[in-house]
Amino acid sequence: AQSVTQPDIHITVSEGASLELRCNYSYGATPYLFWYVQSPGQGLQLLLKYFSGDTLVQGIKGFEAEFKRSQSSFNLRKPSVHWSDAAEYFCAVADYKLSFGAGTTVTVRA
Amino acid sequence: EAGVAQSPRYKIIEKRQSVAFWCNPISGHATLYWYQQILGQGPKLLIQFQNNGVVDDSQLPKDRFSAERLKGVDSTLKIQPAKLEDSAVYLCASSSPGQAAYEQYFGPGTRLTVT
Repeated sequence: AQSVTQPDIHITVSEGASLELRCNYSYGATPYLFWYVQSPGQGLQLLLKYFSGDTLVQGIKGFEAEFKRSQSSFNLRKPSVHWSDAAEYFCAVADYKLSFGAGTTVTVRA
Repeated sequence: EAGVAQSPRYKIIEKRQSVAFWCNPISGHATLYWYQQILGQGPKLLIQFQNNGVVDDSQLPKDRFSAERLKGVDSTLKIQPAKLEDSAVYLCASSSPGQAAYEQYFGPGTRLTVT
């Protein structure tokens, strides 16, 4: 069965610093992979997705993610974090349905 | 384009009471999903509708949870009777058919507290 692991429960980063969130998946075939962001009191918003092709995908809000089949990873990155990026981030894998990781909470300090 | 609408946003009930949540998906989206998100966890799919038919309800606790999507548009999720462990955020999402089905658009959720 498909599954997703997000090893980091909570990350604190300074404003302007770079951010990387880890995601490891377990899936037998070529995965469809996603990153969602959830701000407090809000629903989930799709940041980016990977279906096939170029392994480096660009998303909204300056985020990017890199698919590495050899490592079963789909890590999310942002070069320079803004205070508004404080939120919870979920990685997800799909075959016939989405399976989400437990999420990583990002705190941005001034 | 209007997003996914949900109501109420918050609900507090006592255990053994009943509660209902409403969802209006994005216009034209044939697929509708209900998720349960317990604090500290990712969303878990409860039920998926394609138009007004159920595609997957394998994770729905059918002894107490029910859902319907009359006319293939709005949907209602009901819990009767509620238990303490039902305290969670209930998210509704919708999507278009085909590959775009994976691009789900989420509503703001209903936060349920069972006391």
